[in-house]
Amino acid sequence: AQTVTQSQPEMSVQEAETVTLSCTYDTSESDYYLFWYKQPPSRQMILVIRQEAYKQQNATENRFSVNFQKAAKSFSLKISDSQLGDAAMYFCAHTPGSSNTGKLIFGQGTTLQVKP
Amino acid sequence: NAGVMQNPRHLVRRRGQEARLRCSPMKGHSHVYWYRQLPEEGLKFMVYLQKENIIDESGMPKERFSAEFPKEGPSILRIQQVVRGDSAAYFCASSPYPTGESSGELFFGEGSRLTVL
Repeated sequence: AQTVTQSQPEMSVQEAETVTLSCTYDTSESDYYLFWYKQPPSRQMILVIRQEAYKQQNATENRFSVNFQKAAKSFSLKISDSQLGDAAMYFCAHTPGSSNTGKLIFGQGTTLQVKP
Repeated sequence: NAGVMQNPRHLVRRRGQEARLRCSPMKGHSHVYWYRQLPEEGLKFMVYLQKENIIDESGMPKERFSAEFPKEGPSILRIQQVVRGDSAAYFCASSPYPTGESSGELFFGEGSRLTVL
């Protein structure tokens, strides 16, 4: 079965500091996508960053970057220069690239608190 | 270009009533997905629809739940004879392609929060 595990229910970071959120997943697929979504108090799911499994280079979007370790099935999110607006729940998600069902599998989420 | 629109944002029902949740995908998107989020949990896939077709309903409870995406109008998630355990946030997402033919990205609405008294 495909699963996504986020082992940190809560994390906190000081404003302007760096924080890393962990995610591991399990899949038998060789081609797939990985995502980090942010869910602020408004509850809308916002895509933060995306990684294609066949790409060795780690994805980067401004202050957000990932550490993708395919052999270890690990996909951590690093937030640099944390801002108050980064406070939210963060979900790691995975979908098989060969599938066309849009069946994203989400982790349990990590609540990030940013301290001023 | 308006995003994915869901309504109502909040819905309160008593046990045994019916709940109808609507979702209008982004313009140009013909693939719609419904997810459910129970309190303190991640989103769980329910169903994937294209216009007039259910493609994958493997995440739908076997009874009381149904979904449709007619040729005209929004997609509707219908829950009959609601029970307290149905209380959750229901999210709709859309994409312009089957996710296997694209980057896999889904565009989510703001969700509909159902409370069953």
